[in-house]
Amino acid sequence: SQQGEEDPQALSIQEGENATMNCSYKTSINNLQWYRQNSGRGLVHLILIRSNEREKHSGRLRVTLDTSKKSSSLLITASRAADTASYFCATDARDNFNKFYFGSGTKLNVKP
Amino acid sequence: DAMVIQNPRYQVTQFGKPVTLSCSQTLNHNVMYWYQQKSSQAPKLLFHYYDKDFNNEADTPDNFQSRRPNTSFCFLDIRSPGLGDAAMYLCATSREQSQETQYFGPGTRLLVL
Repeated sequence: SQQGEEDPQALSIQEGENATMNCSYKTSINNLQWYRQNSGRGLVHLILIRSNEREKHSGRLRVTLDTSKKSSSLLITASRAADTASYFCATDARDNFNKFYFGSGTKLNVKP
Repeated sequence: DAMVIQNPRYQVTQFGKPVTLSCSQTLNHNVMYWYQQKSSQAPKLLFHYYDKDFNNEADTPDNFQSRRPNTSFCFLDIRSPGLGDAAMYLCATSREQSQETQYFGPGTRLLVL
C-alpha cells in the first residue's frame, strides 16, 4: 500500500524548542502534503510540496522532500503550546490523481 | 464561514441499524472524499467522487455505500453497522486533481451500541 509511515509516533517537547517529524512513503508521487489535526477535529492543511521541489517554508514551518529516499520532514520552529496536535503527511497516488493516502501520524505535545 | 459541513457531529446507532452521514460543501469543488479514522490512526480513504464518477477503494467493505446527488452534497450510508465501524468519519473536498489542497469537515463521530 502507498500509505506512509511517520516517526516518531509521539513527540513531547518544551515550548520554544523545535519539533521535527518525518514521513516515508512507498511509491512515486506528484506531491506531498502535511496536515494538522487537533484532538477530535477535522484535518487542516498546512503545506504542500511538489515532487520537483526540495524545500518549502511557511511561517514557522519548514518542509523538505527527498524523492530519492521517498521521505519528507516537517520542522516546526519555536514551538508553542498551541502547536499540540497530531501531524499527518499525505501523498497522492501517481496513477490516480484523486486519491490520497495518509501516514500514520506524529502526536506532538508542546509543554508550556 | 464553514466550507465543508458535516452533520451530525455525533451519531449514535444500534448494531445493524442503517445510518447515513451527510457532508455538504460551499466550495463548488469537483472532488469529494470520505475517510474513516479510528482512534490514534491515520485517516483511511473509503471512496471518492470526481464529479459524478464514483471510485471505491478495493478494501472498502460493501457495507459502506455513498451517494452524491449534486455537487454540494455527499452521503455515506452504512447499511448494517457493526461495532468495528465505530470511528470518526471525515469528509473532504478538493477542487480538481491531487495537486490541490484537501479541505476537511469537522467529522462525524459514530458510536455503535
